[in-house]
Amino acid sequence: ETGVTQTPRHLVMGMTNKKSLKCEQHLGHNAMYWYKQSAKKPLELMFVYNFKEQTENNSVPSRFSPECPNSSHLFLHLHTLQPEDSALYLCASSQDEAGGYNEQFFGPGTRLTVL
Amino acid sequence: EDQVTQSPEALRLQEGESSSLNCSYTVSGLRGLFWYRQDPGKGPEFLFTLYSAGEEKEKERLKATLTKKESFLHITAPKPEDSATYLCALGSWGKLQFGAGTQVVVTP
Repeated sequence: ETGVTQTPRHLVMGMTNKKSLKCEQHLGHNAMYWYKQSAKKPLELMFVYNFKEQTENNSVPSRFSPECPNSSHLFLHLHTLQPEDSALYLCASSQDEAGGYNEQFFGPGTRLTVL
Repeated sequence: EDQVTQSPEALRLQEGESSSLNCSYTVSGLRGLFWYRQDPGKGPEFLFTLYSAGEEKEKERLKATLTKKESFLHITAPKPEDSATYLCALGSWGKLQFGAGTQVVVTP
């Protein structure tokens, strides 16, 4: 595997389900990010992890729970979601957080549909 | 408050018809201005980073330029495979702030 991988690529879940999204980066980077992309809207930053420590939580509802066990893996645990949470969830990584100087590399995303 | 605005929202070009996309911004401390390409159902693909006014970067038919208030992505003699959404992002204070993107369609 190369770059940033995400699983699953597609997920359909009911409002009462619990599921997890997985992201793995093979670039040796130290910072990882979760973004939400809804139709016709800019990418919304959700969470930032730098050297496994959460450095940004962009006022995300608690039904989204991130986990970063090491610099290569990032999870997004989902529970009691709402239909408006349906979107493309993107994971990204960068060399480090470095104040916005470093380019971020994105995975292919997980298309989430909440029924 | 930092802001980034892209125009136009959508652009339809004939193959070979050159054009430019605009990304205007206001920022208290610019760290970098990033351009990405996104194909439908895929994650954004990194194209360029520009750090200072006057800087230019090129890749195949794409050329990005930067001034103190805006960045342009010039597409020269586009081909159908250049069809995508092009995103610009402002790097400041540890994160990227993305514009809404310009959807480009190039017809044969």
